[in-house]
Amino acid sequence: GESVGLHLPTLSVQEGDNSIINCAYSNSASDYFIWYKQESGKGPQFIIDIRSNMDKRQGQRVTVLLNKTVKHLSLQIAATQPGDSAVYFCAEINTNAGKSTFGDGTTLTVKP
Amino acid sequence: DAGITQSPRHKVTETGTPVTLRCHQTENHRYMYWYRQDPGHGLRLIHYSYGVKDTDKGEVSDGYSVSRSKTEDFLLTLESATSSQTSVYFCAISERGRGPTNEKLFFGSGTQLSVL
Repeated sequence: GESVGLHLPTLSVQEGDNSIINCAYSNSASDYFIWYKQESGKGPQFIIDIRSNMDKRQGQRVTVLLNKTVKHLSLQIAATQPGDSAVYFCAEINTNAGKSTFGDGTTLTVKP
Repeated sequence: DAGITQSPRHKVTETGTPVTLRCHQTENHRYMYWYRQDPGHGLRLIHYSYGVKDTDKGEVSDGYSVSRSKTEDFLLTLESATSSQTSVYFCAISERGRGPTNEKLFFGSGTQLSVL
């Protein structure tokens, strides 16, 4: 999994399988979390977000889970496709302090 | 990339020379940001702007200055480039925000800067 600020782990999955990417955040005061996807040579792209008053949020093929007790965030991608291959990173945000911290990310590789 | 254009896309320069990177948006968003991305550090905020002529420092602002004379343009200047400023620079925008950011960002495609 990923910890905000540490080196880049990798995840390799077969096309069609589900993927789970993890993120451990550091600040218990963080109340807003975002997952971004970054393809090679491109800028980060917003995927999904979640506020701290929720523990689960679903999008199209993606689900974010938040466990505030252990300060853990995960991104689940259903039926992973080759186009999902990218670096995924989380951002933790303390909206009261206006401070955000980005993780390095996890490299997801989808094998056809 | 959400109506954000960064120029140049690639730049190679020598130590001690001035460099200006440009970010242009067509979204009419109030907030604009400059980040740098380096291995092992994630995205780090350099400077941000919350309106024309209104800018503030981020966490890694030393050696950088910014200007915003129009809503759509945000310039990042390295007055005297150093090798430690070799990085990928991303411009981002957000519609609302309080402080550096409190909502999702839309990013440009980045500028790869190499300082030799």
